Amino acid sequence: NAGVMQNPRHLVRRRGQEARLRCSPMKGHSHVYWYRQLPEEGLKFMVYLQKENIIDESGMPKERFSAEFPKEGPSILRIQQVVRGDSAAYFCASSPYMKNTGELFFGEGSRLTVL
Amino acid sequence: KNEVEQSPQNLTAQEGEFITINCSYSVGISALHWLQQHPGGGIVSLFMLSSGKKKHGRLIATINIQEKHSSLHITASHPRDSAVYICAVRMPGGSQGNLIFGKGTKLSVKP
Repeated sequence: NAGVMQNPRHLVRRRGQEARLRCSPMKGHSHVYWYRQLPEEGLKFMVYLQKENIIDESGMPKERFSAEFPKEGPSILRIQQVVRGDSAAYFCASSPYMKNTGELFFGEGSRLTVL
Repeated sequence: KNEVEQSPQNLTAQEGEFITINCSYSVGISALHWLQQHPGGGIVSLFMLSSGKKKHGRLIATINIQEKHSSLHITASHPRDSAVYICAVRMPGGSQGNLIFGKGTKLSVKP
């Protein structure tokens, strides 16, 4: 499967624990985007990364959330000290270097439940 | 800040019907995306457009920049078209992927 791979698909954490969500972009894609979909709400942009760089983090909550896209390996969205309000679906998308078609390729999402 | 409004929120159609989903936004944009989200949650990008019209199979997307309005049409609808359709816009100067999303239109096509 050459698509965008996210794991885990489902993650359960207790309040105060850490959640790590991984995203492997499509082969040849160097741009990764993370989005959050809260229950009964629309998608919201969180962060845009290229390899080893954060390009736009204007949608990231100021505390407890961080993202990285290392030179090797998947992009990781990290949520420290999770709270119930972090329960949501987190989607990753990737794109090639933009010339620009602008098309985004989405993963299946990771669903975080905080108990 | 751009407000993205979709209508209708919910739509039920009979198989074979022609379907139109609307999206309007309040401020000028550089691009507009139409996305499809199936039950179970995966998201597929259908179209990205900044002017005019695009067609792919039974799907047609149009945008009117002056009116700040876009429509997604589905011809000869089929039960497998049942999904949530989401409109999203990118602001001028905004980074790639920094989109503002509508709340979606839930489409159900009955056989």
